[in-house]
Amino acid sequence: GENVEQHPSTLSVQEGDSAVIKCTYSDSASNYFPWYKQELGKGPQLIIDIRSNVGEKKDQRIAVTLNKTAKHFSLHITETQPEDSAVYFCAASRTGGFKTIFGAGTRLFVKA
Amino acid sequence: ETGVTQTPRHLVMGMTNKKSLKCEQHLGHNAMYWYKQSAKKPLELMFVYSLEERVENNSVPSRFSPECPNSSHLFLHLHTLQPEDSALYLCASSQEGYAAYEQYFGPGTRLTVT
Repeated sequence: GENVEQHPSTLSVQEGDSAVIKCTYSDSASNYFPWYKQELGKGPQLIIDIRSNVGEKKDQRIAVTLNKTAKHFSLHITETQPEDSAVYFCAASRTGGFKTIFGAGTRLFVKA
Repeated sequence: ETGVTQTPRHLVMGMTNKKSLKCEQHLGHNAMYWYKQSAKKPLELMFVYSLEERVENNSVPSRFSPECPNSSHLFLHLHTLQPEDSALYLCASSQEGYAAYEQYFGPGTRLTVT
């Protein structure tokens, strides 16, 4: 069936360093790739998304890249801050479908 | 606040109990979702409602029964649950029922089945 693999499951970085989380999807028809951040006691919240007609998107310290040929997409956080500590989920879906497939999540720790 | 509220936030129930989870969205969205979140596993889609009609039922056991009386409210009725059903149950809404839109999640209901 369709699935999204996410790595690493845990990531620890020093404040100010960069963090990279990678995902691979299986459904070649997927064309929408959101990233969600989940803080303790809260539901996931969208932080950035990318559609398949774009290879890269940036929003301040956060960027996402997409390689459709390899079916890979990645989240890049630069100049990490302690408040970036959370669980991050990648996901994939397709236009016209009702299902979003989520990765298993990456727990990011940013050490001050 | 995301505009999606869930009650209760915590629930402990025995295997023979019947309880209901409630979700309400204040965003004017047309679609609502139930997800199950277990530790170290991907979010599992359970049900999708678009314009109050169920459009996705992801092989969920019949002990979980959804209800969507209008586009702002969503319920998950629970009965005869098993300990493995203990998890965080998340409700979400989106502008449209198609998956290629941002979903807004509530804070979840932490369910423990004893």
